[in-house]
Amino acid sequence: ETGVTQTPRHLVMGMTNKKSLKCEQHLGHNAMYWYKQSAKKPLELMFVYNFKEQTENNSVPSRFSPECPNSSHLFLHLHTLQPEDSALYLCASKRTSGDPDTQYFGPGTRLTVL
Amino acid sequence: AQTVTQSQPEMSVQEAETVTLSCTYDTSENNYYLFWYKQPPSRQMILVIRQEAYKQQNATENRFSVNFQKAAKSFSLKISDSQLGDTAMYFCAFSGSGGSNYKLTFGKGTLLTVNP
Repeated sequence: ETGVTQTPRHLVMGMTNKKSLKCEQHLGHNAMYWYKQSAKKPLELMFVYNFKEQTENNSVPSRFSPECPNSSHLFLHLHTLQPEDSALYLCASKRTSGDPDTQYFGPGTRLTVL
Repeated sequence: AQTVTQSQPEMSVQEAETVTLSCTYDTSENNYYLFWYKQPPSRQMILVIRQEAYKQQNATENRFSVNFQKAAKSFSLKISDSQLGDTAMYFCAFSGSGGSNYKLTFGKGTLLTVNP
């Protein structure tokens, strides 16, 4: 609907697994974002990329490792996660991070860590 | 740091009636942007309406309008003629300049249920 896609939509992983989340935007935007959405908590900004460069890391644990190979793709590599990391992970994009534009969100990846 | 407060965790309204969702925020900035996002069950978060703080006129998008009170730091959303498809989680969000990044700060959300 909004031009931002995320895969997989659902992921179940053990604490020792390594997995990756993928986000792709088809809107010609240059800024991309990772958010964590947990029940009964506000969305938490994790990372911001602008023109492929990371401009914000919101004190995210190192078991989450982002990668932005180009302005259209954003990955979140996961390893040795904890059960409290179970959440909906949302990707978003907008024109550039330096403009007050609307962010467009993907459908999210529902992550369950066993 | 900016904060956004949505004091109503859940609300319900009858179809065709009007409902108002509350949002207050705290900031020391003078120039900023406010948003209402809607997240339907198992669907993507989408923008409902947006307000620039420097504009005194309240934003309107079809059945959705806001009451922006800058001095009171209040930004409520009014939904007129509620429809079943309006059932969703509604998030109020603030975006300030924060340096070079216009980051969004979200409230906890209000779950709105429209009843037939």
